[in-house]
Amino acid sequence: GQQLNQSPQSMFIQEGEDVSMNCTSSSIFNTWLWYKQDPGEGPVLLIALYKAGELTSNGRLTAQFGITRKDSFLNISASIPSDVGIYFCAGTTSGSRLTFGEGTQLTVNP
Amino acid sequence: DAGVIQSPRHEVTEMGQEVTLRCKPISGHDYLFWYRQTMMRGLELLIYFNNNVPIDDSGMPEDRFSAKMPNASFSTLKIQPSEPRDSAVYFCASSLAAGAHGYTFGSGTRLTVV
Repeated sequence: GQQLNQSPQSMFIQEGEDVSMNCTSSSIFNTWLWYKQDPGEGPVLLIALYKAGELTSNGRLTAQFGITRKDSFLNISASIPSDVGIYFCAGTTSGSRLTFGEGTQLTVNP
Repeated sequence: DAGVIQSPRHEVTEMGQEVTLRCKPISGHDYLFWYRQTMMRGLELLIYFNNNVPIDDSGMPEDRFSAKMPNASFSTLKIQPSEPRDSAVYFCASSLAAGAHGYTFGSGTRLTVV
């Protein structure tokens, strides 16, 4: 089946630093999604990407759909303490359910 | 919209007891998913439904787990008998399509089996 490799597994950064995480897939996806899970809550959709090469921003977050359609990255600029959580990538092809990455645990030190 | 509603938020039960987790999806969503999250295994898809019909239950760990969706607004995940290794956070999610527009997750049920 499809597999998503997400890296890094965890990150410890200082407030104000920029963050970058990525996902690679063993197969092509038509859609890439990025989720954030706050402690004690379910994952919440941050950004959706539908086209190879697409670059989309949501406030301090920027995500890109890789040209090969097998990868995606998420950047967070000027991190703040509330950015703490687990970030998941997810991908899908038409009509198929989402495949989730293993998650990146982000810790932001004030 | 109230979002995906799960109950209870927390459940502590003794080994061997039956546990029932409940989910109310977003009105109009055709798909409903049950996930389990643990530190060791991350997010695991257990089963999903389309129009109340189970489509893929290959992620259900064993016969002790069962899921039903009697109507479009309600689903249950039952564990009988429960075991300590079932301790995890169980999420329900719903969506309009199989995956293209993402899923909306509930807040989860944290299950502890002692």
